[in-house]
Amino acid sequence: GDSVTQMEGPVTLSEEAFLTINCTYTATGYPSLFWYVQYPGEGLQLLLKATKADDKGSNKGFEATYRKETTSFHLEKGSVQVSDSAVYFCVLSTQGGSEKLVFGKGTKLTVNP
Amino acid sequence: GAGVSQSPSNKVTEKGKDVELRCDPISGHTALYWYRQSLGQGLEFLIYFQGNSAPDKSGLPSDRFSAERTGGSVSTLTIQRTQQEDSAVYLCASSFEGLGGYTFGSGTRLTVV
Repeated sequence: GDSVTQMEGPVTLSEEAFLTINCTYTATGYPSLFWYVQYPGEGLQLLLKATKADDKGSNKGFEATYRKETTSFHLEKGSVQVSDSAVYFCVLSTQGGSEKLVFGKGTKLTVNP
Repeated sequence: GAGVSQSPSNKVTEKGKDVELRCDPISGHTALYWYRQSLGQGLEFLIYFQGNSAPDKSGLPSDRFSAERTGGSVSTLTIQRTQQEDSAVYLCASSFEGLGGYTFGSGTRLTVV
């Protein structure tokens, strides 16, 4: 079945460091891909998305490019802030039918001042 | 409403009791999803509603779990004869026609003692 594998955490960085969280997926067809973020004490929020190959999703300085050839959707940010501390989930949306979401296990990011 | 509302936010119950969890989706969102977030298990899909019908119940872990949706709006997830392994955060999400752009509620944290 469809699945998502993402880099296990926790990840600890200093402010202004470069961030990469790796994500690869297995899916039949052409899923849509998302990154969701869960800040401490808050619910899941959509961070960015890409719906087809070579699309780049971006938001709040974060970027991810849908790479069909490597089945990847790595999350990057050039300069992280303390406020970026959260758990990040790589997610795919299955094709056809329910369009249900399949989540990676999440990567906890802590950014220190 | 402005967002997806879930109640209660926290529920502690004794093993063997039944519980009901409620989700009030965004007005006009036809698709509604239940997920479970457990430590060590990540986020698991439980059930999908399109309107009042549930074409995908594949994630319900046992026949102790059931869900219904009425009026194309509010949904209730019922767990009968709760077990300790049911302890988790139960999340509800809604979207328009299942086209992506899912909005998640803040979840119900269920603790079975």
